[in-house]
Amino acid sequence: GAVVSQHPSRVICKSGTSVKIECRSLDFQATTMFWYRQFPKQSLMLMATSNEGSKATYEQGVEKDKFLINHASLTLSTLTVTSAHPEDSSFYICSARVQFLETQYFGPGTRLLVL
Amino acid sequence: QKEVEQDPGPLSVPEGAIVSLNCTYSNSAFQYFMWYRQYSRKGPELLMYTYSSGNKEDGRFTAQVDKSSKYISLFIRDSQPSDSATYLCAILDDTGFQKLVFGTGTRLLVSP
Repeated sequence: GAVVSQHPSRVICKSGTSVKIECRSLDFQATTMFWYRQFPKQSLMLMATSNEGSKATYEQGVEKDKFLINHASLTLSTLTVTSAHPEDSSFYICSARVQFLETQYFGPGTRLLVL
Repeated sequence: QKEVEQDPGPLSVPEGAIVSLNCTYSNSAFQYFMWYRQYSRKGPELLMYTYSSGNKEDGRFTAQVDKSSKYISLFIRDSQPSDSATYLCAILDDTGFQKLVFGTGTRLLVSP
């Protein structure tokens, strides 16, 4: 199956700092990548849809200035949490849609803890 | 009404049991249906993917879609302790950017 990686897998930072999370499709091209966050014992909440070469589309209630998304190539999307606060602590997961197909493959997730 | 409804469980079964996991959805236009398995602190893993109505089998797993009643199911035969995980149904909203609409997930516990 298609492989999606995320880096880092875990990050601890101080309040007010910015954190960048990378999402890579390793063996396929992904024109569309998605960013989710997941709180304990809850389902995935879609934050934004990222298309290569264009601006991301954010879901209602997600602050675009706080969660900066860049999709610079067909295999890489980044999510930057700017001026992180403790309430941003969560599990962030990306997925990538195989070009011309309907299936999405997920990365292993990044656990963010803001102190 | 949520677009996709799924019982959160937990569902506890003994090893070897047949497990039935279910979701209902509201939009009859949906055509693509998926089941993901998520272990604790890991990303979801695609298990099954079906298009329109019917059954699809892969090893111990069978996915079933009944579009007339807007009901999707995942059956696990001969369940194993390693099947203990959260199972998420997902439906593709194929308008726009083709987002997945997830159920809340059902937590399955298979005891040895």
